[in-house]
Amino acid sequence: GENVEQHPSTLSVQEGDSAVIKCTYSDSASNYFPWYKQELGKRPQLIIDIRSNVGEKKDQRIAVTLNKTAKHFSLHITETQPEDSAVYFCAASKGTNAGKSTFGDGTTLTVKP
Amino acid sequence: EAQVTQNPRYLITVTGKKLTVTCSQNMNHEYMSWYRQDPGLGLRQIYYSMNVEVTDKGDVPEGYKVSRKEKRNFPLILESPSPNQTSLYFCASSPRTGGSNQPQHFGDGTRLSIL
Repeated sequence: GENVEQHPSTLSVQEGDSAVIKCTYSDSASNYFPWYKQELGKRPQLIIDIRSNVGEKKDQRIAVTLNKTAKHFSLHITETQPEDSAVYFCAASKGTNAGKSTFGDGTTLTVKP
Repeated sequence: EAQVTQNPRYLITVTGKKLTVTCSQNMNHEYMSWYRQDPGLGLRQIYYSMNVEVTDKGDVPEGYKVSRKEKRNFPLILESPSPNQTSLYFCASSPRTGGSNQPQHFGDGTRLSIL
């Protein structure tokens, strides 16, 4: 089955710096890659996603890049703010009529003021 | 308000006592799924359902049952809970627009403690 590895497990940055979290996946048939943010004690919420027919997607300070050949995708957060502090999860799943979703183990991001 | 509602939010119970965690969504989503979250292990999928009467195993289905008799409800059943099922559980749903995967909407979670 699919295996998703996420690095680093913890990341600490100064406010205003950039943060990058990387995920690798094993199943070349996977084609949907969402990123979720989970604040302490809260539910995971989608922040951005990308499909395999796109190499990059951006939404204000957040961007995701996908390298299908190397089977990895990355989350980029620029101009980090203390409210970006949370646990971030990547996930991978296949397309039509496929229900399995495999998540990475999470990255705890701390943004120091 | 569009939401996924789980009940109960917290439960402490004993080994072997059957329990059910309910999950209901009001967004008319076809897809629903259950996950467990343990420290350092991310979210692991227990079961999912592509539509009414269609369910399938995720990565960690042992010890759990589910049913999908109605589109809005997807209960998680622990027939004989054991301490290793102590965890934080999330239910999620998503539409299946064009048959492809879409973002999942998560409930607020259920914290289960099995003594």
